[in-house]
Amino acid sequence: DAMVIQNPRYQVTQFGKPVTLSCSQTLNHNVMYWYQQKSSQAPKLLFHYYDKDFNNEADTPDNFQSRRPNTSFCFLDIRSPGLGDAAMYLCATSRGAAEQFFGPGTRLTVL
Amino acid sequence: RKEVEQDPGPFNVPEGATVAFNCTYSNSASQSFFWYRQDCRKEPKLLMSVYSSGNEDGRFTAQLNRASQYISLLIRDSKLSDSATYLCVVNPGETTDSWGKLQFGAGTQVVVTP
Repeated sequence: DAMVIQNPRYQVTQFGKPVTLSCSQTLNHNVMYWYQQKSSQAPKLLFHYYDKDFNNEADTPDNFQSRRPNTSFCFLDIRSPGLGDAAMYLCATSRGAAEQFFGPGTRLTVL
Repeated sequence: RKEVEQDPGPFNVPEGATVAFNCTYSNSASQSFFWYRQDCRKEPKLLMSVYSSGNEDGRFTAQLNRASQYISLLIRDSKLSDSATYLCVVNPGETTDSWGKLQFGAGTQVVVTP
């Protein structure tokens, strides 16, 4: 089945220790998104790639970076995680501006 | 004012009953609308798109009222498995600034009880 896959599903890191979250998709969608979602809140868009074009949200901290080496893969790098970065990180894909499909998420814990 | 507002609930619904709830949006130029379902600690899953004429998918009916800027979701014959948070999602349009930036409500929690 075509799908959006995220690894790992659970990630525990120490304060300040870099971490990388990965997302892959078999839907062949040209747009990929990273969201941060905290408990009882709506998902918050961090950035998205339209094909190879990177689009950063104005309020996304510099601590968050992303890479998209090819159509299928996208990575979220958190350079120096703080306690406030503990959250669910959701990857989503879409074909153009059509509806978005989400991966299962990576739950990040920062100790 | 938030871009997308929802009653957080919870809506406690007896099994087999009907429940309906709304979502209001602030941008009158918004292009498309969706309902997503999110189970606890899981990802949002697309439930249905919302079309201008209203649309139905099994026990779920969605309506759009552009004049009053709200969308609604009605669930008939509620099942225990319908217990979830329902996210109202609005695509504000395809201008350079708004492209790809879905606007999410914080969700309406529905709890179906036996």
